[in-house]
Amino acid sequence: KAGVTQTPRYLIKTRGQQVTLSCSPISGHRSVSWYQQTPGQGLQFLFEYFSETQRNKGNFPGRFSGRQFSNSRSEMNVSTLELGDSALYLCASSLEGFLDEQFFGPGTRLTVL
Amino acid sequence: GENVEQHPSTLSVQEGDSAVIKCTYSDSASNYFPWYKQELGKGPQLIIDIRSNVGEKKDQRIAVTLNKTAKHFSLHITETQPEDSAVYFCAAISPGGGNKLTFGTGTQLKVEL
Repeated sequence: KAGVTQTPRYLIKTRGQQVTLSCSPISGHRSVSWYQQTPGQGLQFLFEYFSETQRNKGNFPGRFSGRQFSNSRSEMNVSTLELGDSALYLCASSLEGFLDEQFFGPGTRLTVL
Repeated sequence: GENVEQHPSTLSVQEGDSAVIKCTYSDSASNYFPWYKQELGKGPQLIIDIRSNVGEKKDQRIAVTLNKTAKHFSLHITETQPEDSAVYFCAAISPGGGNKLTFGTGTQLKVEL
């Protein structure tokens, strides 16, 4: 069974730009969650989507947004990029939510110059 | 919100020795505690988890213990092997305000030959 895929794997942007990252969950998984990983802050939860609705949200500013499509694929968007947004963005999918095993993708490495 | 502390940040052991990583959490309502292993260039992978109604769980060389009264849980790896070298993260699920997943800061485990 194919794992979680994320595209692109690497991205370089400049301050003020916006970026969209994509995540394709494991077939049959309805929950998709997003995380930001940095050396300083570690792994931080961004948001979770289930059945095209945002079900949970972490403590990130409104510049970070996401959506989920009817096929469970998800995208996250970061607008008005800041240098501090440079990070590895991880997506994870599970059958129904956090109490099920989370399967992580390899991440998208975003560099903001 | 939930706060998860993890110690130590780095751990070096000789092959065959045991390794112990400890985490404490703040929200007494947290009810699910997964552990993840992250290898270089990959997303985290669930290695074991424990729910709040269980005190201990074991899977081959890996075990997790939970002390709800003290609000701490630990990962135990016995007979360590070089392939156990990775970063390990503990996490806690807090149901307050919807399920939220909070990670510890990670432990870099190095198993030396």
